[in-house]
Amino acid sequence: QSVLTQPPSVSGAPGQRIIISCTGSSSDIGAGYGVHWYRQLPGTAPKLLIYANNNRPSGVPDRFSGSNSGTSASLAITGLQAEDEADYYCQSYDSSLRGRVFGGGTKLTVL
Amino acid sequence: QVQLQESSPGLVKPSGTLSLTCAVSGGSITSNNWWSWVRQSPGKGLEWIGEIYHSGVRSYNPSLNSRVTISVDKSKNQFSLALSSVTAADTAVYYCARITPQPRQDAFDIWGQGTMVTVSS
Repeated sequence: QSVLTQPPSVSGAPGQRIIISCTGSSSDIGAGYGVHWYRQLPGTAPKLLIYANNNRPSGVPDRFSGSNSGTSASLAITGLQAEDEADYYCQSYDSSLRGRVFGGGTKLTVL
Repeated sequence: QVQLQESSPGLVKPSGTLSLTCAVSGGSITSNNWWSWVRQSPGKGLEWIGEIYHSGVRSYNPSLNSRVTISVDKSKNQFSLALSSVTAADTAVYYCARITPQPRQDAFDIWGQGTMVTVSS
């Protein structure tokens, strides 16, 4: 069982906006530790998508955005495209566990 | 452009030690970064194993702490993972990754391609 909780799956039609949630606790997201998001295409390594809550690495389109509030964070994808179909993971740091923690991952299906 | 490449031991026997190396190219392992290992069991999510700074400072996942050793070889510009007393539950794809430190905000910004390790007799 993952420390950070994500929905197992979300889906949306091309062009739509979807949101993936990531729920933590007072010892991780709620303690002010940054939330990072990764995208993993089938058979490949994860790739950093959003870092420090709402920052995009160079090359990541502005269709992807992150936000957080309290003990939760979310990833929004607008203008959904077929190539967005992948697994998405949130990640932070947990002070009580003294380590980096991941969400269980969310599989995005583009209908 | 920094790139990471894991070695590929493939098969490890139960109760044995899993040993992996991550070669760093395009940059120095003595740069201001942490070097980490993450694994993913088949069909499962990601699990942080531990990390090391070039000075030798280490941090391990408490759930694996008693079995994990991460080390750095500056002369070869690489870092390594040793996981002892392995069982089938340690079968996974193992990734090495770089962390660029930012207070309370550091992320895994570069990943290796991953290597599948199977624990089986």
